[in-house]
Amino acid sequence: AQSVTQPDIHITVSEGASLELRCNYSYGATPYLFWYVQSPGQGLQLLLKYFSGDTLVQGIKGFEAEFKRSQSSFNLRKPSVHWSDAAEYFCAVGAETSGSRLTFGEGTQLTVNP
Amino acid sequence: DAGVIQSPRHEVTEMGQEVTLRCKPISGHNSLFWYRQTMMRGLELLIYFNNNVPIDDSGMPEDRFSAKMPNASFSTLKIQPSEPRDSAVYFCASSLTGTDRYFGPGTRLTVT
Repeated sequence: AQSVTQPDIHITVSEGASLELRCNYSYGATPYLFWYVQSPGQGLQLLLKYFSGDTLVQGIKGFEAEFKRSQSSFNLRKPSVHWSDAAEYFCAVGAETSGSRLTFGEGTQLTVNP
Repeated sequence: DAGVIQSPRHEVTEMGQEVTLRCKPISGHNSLFWYRQTMMRGLELLIYFNNNVPIDDSGMPEDRFSAKMPNASFSTLKIQPSEPRDSAVYFCASSLTGTDRYFGPGTRLTVT
């Protein structure tokens, strides 16, 4: 069975500081990996995704993530956080087949201090 | 593109009442998903349609929940009768590829 673990429930960083949100997955085959962001009162928005190829993927809003198969990780990073990045972030894993079930992590709540 | 549209955005109802949530997917998308989000259980997939046909409804909690997709541009999720434990945010999402998900803004349901 596939699963996703986001070890950090809540992270606080200062504006301008770097950010890394952790995601570990369990999956029997080559995973499709995603990061979504949810602002208060909004739906989830796709930040970036990894299917194959270059293990460092770039997303929207200056985010990037690195797929490390040996560590079963797909951590999200941003070099300099903005106050508008405060939100909840979800990592998700799925299969290659179309329409497959995506498994979401529990989410990491990001607070940005001025 | 207007994105995925959900209505109502907020719904407050009394226990035992019927609740109907509505979703309009992105035009051209052939997959539609209903999710429920709660603090306790996180984001759960309730049901998934492909080309208007229900493919996986294993996440539907019980017979009180039903979902329909009469055409490619409209879907409903109905709860009858509603219970307080159904209080949650319900999201609809659509997809063209099957792997991406484009989420609507959600319906916040409160059952008193």
